[in-house]
Amino acid sequence: DGGITQSPKYLFRKEGQNVTLSCEQNLNHDAMYWYRQDPGQGLRLIYYSQIVNDFQKGDIAEGYSVSREKKESFPLTVTSAQKNPTAFYLCASTLWGSNQPQHFGDGTRLSIL
Amino acid sequence: GNSVTQMEGPVTLSEEAFLTINCTYTATGYPSLFWYVQYPGEGLQLLLKATKADDKGSNKGFEATYRKETTSFHLEKGSVQVSDSAVYFCALSERNNRLAFGKGNQVVVIP
Repeated sequence: DGGITQSPKYLFRKEGQNVTLSCEQNLNHDAMYWYRQDPGQGLRLIYYSQIVNDFQKGDIAEGYSVSREKKESFPLTVTSAQKNPTAFYLCASTLWGSNQPQHFGDGTRLSIL
Repeated sequence: GNSVTQMEGPVTLSEEAFLTINCTYTATGYPSLFWYVQYPGEGLQLLLKATKADDKGSNKGFEATYRKETTSFHLEKGSVQVSDSAVYFCALSERNNRLAFGKGNQVVVIP
């Protein structure tokens, strides 16, 4: 079955450490997205990518970095510059074209040790 | 800019009750509208969508109608079950395939 796989499901970060969250899709989707979800705040867009080797900042990109070397993969690095990284992170993808719905992975919960 | 507003606070109701979750939006142009559902510890699943005015999206007993005159896309279900307990998000499509989300509503169905 096609879908989006996020790993790991749970991740712990020490102070001053960078961590990378994985997102892989086999839906042949063009565009991929990273969201951060905090209680009571809905979803906020961190970064998105419409095509390989290209990506754009979303609304809360500070302290995060991404790469898009392959169509199937869009890893997110939470750097030590992100002072409040504890959250639920969701990856999504969609076909390119207007008004397409996004498909989501099951998320990664990041906590600080 | 575009925005989506959902009613404040969780929704608690008894099994077989009627569910309504309000969603209003502000947008330029003619966006598509979506409802997503999130079960505990999981990602979002597309519940239904509507792409133009007066379209009705429906799935699993849930319905929502795209009302351009009132800029609304309220979600309804006639008889909820305990398994419908989840968080529901309203969203609209923006440029570059972005989505603007509401803050979500926790729905708790009591047996």
